[in-house]
Amino acid sequence: GQSLEQPSEVTAVEGAIVQINCTYQTSGFYGLSWYQQHDGGAPTFLSYNALDGLEETGRFSSFLSRSDSYGYLLLQELQMKDSASYFCAVEGGFQKLVFGTGTRLLVSP
Amino acid sequence: NAGVTQTPKFQVLKTGQSMTLQCAQDMNHEYMSWYRQDPGMGLRLIHYSVGAGITDQGEVPNGYNVSRSTTEDFPLRLLSAAPSQTSVYFCASRREGAEGNTIYFGEGSWLTVV
Repeated sequence: GQSLEQPSEVTAVEGAIVQINCTYQTSGFYGLSWYQQHDGGAPTFLSYNALDGLEETGRFSSFLSRSDSYGYLLLQELQMKDSASYFCAVEGGFQKLVFGTGTRLLVSP
Repeated sequence: NAGVTQTPKFQVLKTGQSMTLQCAQDMNHEYMSWYRQDPGMGLRLIHYSVGAGITDQGEVPNGYNVSRSTTEDFPLRLLSAAPSQTSVYFCASRREGAEGNTIYFGEGSWLTVV
């Protein structure tokens, strides 16, 4: 089977840096993705890691350690609009993407 | 470029009724999938397709059917609706590339079964 663990909620203030962790257990592994979802909206793709290391896209960075079955999403210079749910997702088998239960990020002024 | 289009956006069904959620994409993606999202939960894969004429089951396929007669369309059919199928349904298509596999989601279909 496959399972992913994320914290249920994280709070931070504007301008701060926050890290959202994701640990996974899968029978196979092709990559770790991160998605953002605002209330009532659709998930939108943020980043993807297939290899170990850090991927940076603007204010967002994502890290993967395949040996530790662990990844994180790093959000810098937090803005109010970053308040949303963030999901990690693992492609652990052929064309099958499994999502974590999500981390709700609350950014306060 | 419309991306992934789902209809209807909202639907109320009575227990035992059947209906079809429509999904279309105009990006010529081979891979399409259906997810459901229950309150406070992540997305769970219902069915997916890797190309026209090819479909397979995901994590929670019971009570749902799919078909893929064209690359563009991937409808999801509820055979006999049950209250447990009250959920938000997302259709998605996927682009494969060197930078990774990017999934594009539709806006969602809110389904209530009473």
